[in-house]
Amino acid sequence: QKEVEQNSGPLSVPEGAIASLNCTYSDRGSQSFFWYRQYSGKSPELIMFIYSNGDKEDGRFTAQLNKASQYVSLLIRDSQPSDSATYLCAVNRGSTLGRLYFGRGTQLTVWP
Amino acid sequence: DTAVSQTPKYLVTQMGNDKSIKCEQNLGHDTMYWYKQDSKKFLKIMFSYNNKELIINETVPNRFSPKSPDKAHLNLHINSLELGDSAVYFCASSLTGEETQYFGPGTRLLVL
Repeated sequence: QKEVEQNSGPLSVPEGAIASLNCTYSDRGSQSFFWYRQYSGKSPELIMFIYSNGDKEDGRFTAQLNKASQYVSLLIRDSQPSDSATYLCAVNRGSTLGRLYFGRGTQLTVWP
Repeated sequence: DTAVSQTPKYLVTQMGNDKSIKCEQNLGHDTMYWYKQDSKKFLKIMFSYNNKELIINETVPNRFSPKSPDKAHLNLHINSLELGDSAVYFCASSLTGEETQYFGPGTRLLVL
């Protein structure tokens, strides 16, 4: 079983819609969870992190964490063409300083 | 000012050669990382150093040798390059106690 799995995608949504990106993780002891965005040919950049169960909102982005289900998601409201990118879910199991396990990413396309 | 920088940006070389990639960060961070991203966008950690001490050493061929001369620099030397080493190598840094990792622009390595 992979450490971190993401819905395979690609995901395509119209401009203004809500994009929903999902991620599951295998280690129940995982402590912190990250969403990175990566534009084609560029480096990953952090969008959000979440530690506690529930929702965390930052502008148009909402991260949702459910530790019981070992599930973390990212919602993008009012999607814009500039949101088109690959979104990487990453998990820190807490056992080693800075050790992140990444999923394979979901490619999102927002069409105008 | 560039926060995390890598040189070179592109590297094309023949099988069997030895090459180095350099990374520098000016964020005052004390932890630095090397990641490999394959052609399918899977991002996997290779090494990390905290205050010049090796913390993470994943199952990586011993042809890969990291070196951290100081907290702001982490270099990666690769001996006897193979076709399968072709990938994008990202350097990243973070500060102990803060989990956000900042990525460099990447070095695109192509082994012919």
